[in-house]
Amino acid sequence: GEDVEQSLFLSVREGDSSVINCTYTDSSSTYLYWYKQEPGAGLQLLTYIFSNMDMKQDQRLTVLLNKKDKHLSLRIADTQTGDSAIYFCAEENYGGSQGNLIFGKGTKLSVKP
Amino acid sequence: IAGITQAPTSQILAAGRRMTLRCTQDMRHNAMYWYRQDLGLGLRLIHYSNTAGTTGKGEVPDGYSVSRANTDDFPLTLASAVPSQTSVYFCASSEAGAGINEQFFGPGTRLTVL
Repeated sequence: GEDVEQSLFLSVREGDSSVINCTYTDSSSTYLYWYKQEPGAGLQLLTYIFSNMDMKQDQRLTVLLNKKDKHLSLRIADTQTGDSAIYFCAEENYGGSQGNLIFGKGTKLSVKP
Repeated sequence: IAGITQAPTSQILAAGRRMTLRCTQDMRHNAMYWYRQDLGLGLRLIHYSNTAGTTGKGEVPDGYSVSRANTDDFPLTLASAVPSQTSVYFCASSEAGAGINEQFFGPGTRLTVL
């Protein structure tokens, strides 16, 4: 079945780059997503990548996609304390119904001053 | 713009009681979802609705029911609450079928079943 795997914790120092990795199983996903959850809040879409792209850059964020290995990564440059949050990787699930996403368990990013 | 709202914010409930979590969106999205979030387990889909009048089961539907009488509202009911249903519940909505599936999440309901 579909599954999305990511490490649970990442700790970095302020100003360093953060790289959060994810592996997924459904190669039919048209888009792959990164969602961010700040403390006490719901998830918000951070960025996404179309499946026929290898890379997408958006300001401090870089998404890399390796379709052959089903590997997705999110790089945050110049990480700030405000980036501390849980980051979820998600793939689309066409087996269920339109629009469903399968989320990973989330990576908790801690940024130390 | 309210977006998506949930009520209550938090609730402590005795086991065996019935409880309905409310969710309302004002974006006219066709699809709505209920998730539960548990430490170490991430986000798991309970039920979903692609459009008003239809619902479907997600990954963990047992013990929960939903209805979608109109576009805006998608209540989640626990008929007889059990302690394992202690969790944070998130409602979400999206305009599914229109390109990327951006789901908009409510602020969550923290439910404790004793």
